Amino acid sequence: KQEVTQIPAALSVPEGENLVLNCSFTDSAIYNLQWFRQDPGKGLTSLLLIQSSQREQTSGRLNASLDKSSGRSTLYIAASQPGDSATYLCAVIEVGGSNYKLTFGKGTLLTVNP
Amino acid sequence: NAGVTQTPKFQVLKTGQSMTLQCAQDMNHNSMYWYRQDPGMGLRLIYYSASEGTTDKGEVPNGYNVSRLNKREFSLRLESAAPSQTSVYFCASGGRVGYQPQHFGDGTRLSIL
Repeated sequence: KQEVTQIPAALSVPEGENLVLNCSFTDSAIYNLQWFRQDPGKGLTSLLLIQSSQREQTSGRLNASLDKSSGRSTLYIAASQPGDSATYLCAVIEVGGSNYKLTFGKGTLLTVNP
Repeated sequence: NAGVTQTPKFQVLKTGQSMTLQCAQDMNHNSMYWYRQDPGMGLRLIYYSASEGTTDKGEVPNGYNVSRLNKREFSLRLESAAPSQTSVYFCASGGRVGYQPQHFGDGTRLSIL
C-alpha cells in the first residue's frame, strides 16, 4: 500500500527566506505527483503537477522536483512571504487500466512571519 | 467564475438520517471526485467519476453512494449517517483522470450526532 510522508509537519520561517518542503512515497510506480496548498477553512488549491517522466516544474517562486527512483519530491519556495502561510500537501497518483488511486500526505503547516 | 460549488457548507445530522451533498462545476471538466478530510488521516478519496455516466470506488466508499447527474453535477449520498462519517467533505473536478490538476470546492462540514 502506498504511503506518503511529509516532513516537517510544521515549519516557521521569517519573511524572505527560501525554504524546502519534502514529500516521500513508498511505491515508486507512480503516474504523477501533485502539490497543493490549503488555507484554513478552505479547499485545496493546485500548485504544481509533475508527470512521472518529468523531473521538475516551476511556477513563479515555486519549484517542484520529482525523483521517482528514490521516492522523493521537494517543493522549493523562494523569497517566502506571509501570504505563503498555509498547509502544503503532496499527493501521488497511480493510474493502471481503469483504476485510479490518489494518496495524500498529511501536509506541512508553513508559517511565514513578517 | 464559480469553479466548484458545494452545498451545503455546514450540516448537523442525527445518526441514521440520510442526506445528499451537492457539487457542481462550471469548468466543463470531465472528471469529478469526492474526498473526506479527517484530522490525523489526511484526505481520502471516496468515489470518483472519470466522465459523465461512470463512477468508481475510491479508498473509502463504504456507507456512501454517488450519482453523476450530468457533466456538471456529482452528488454524494449518506443513506444512514453514522458518527464515523463526521468529517469535512470536498468535491473536486479535473480533466483526464490522473493526468491533469484537480480543482477543489470549499468543502462541506458535516457533524453526525
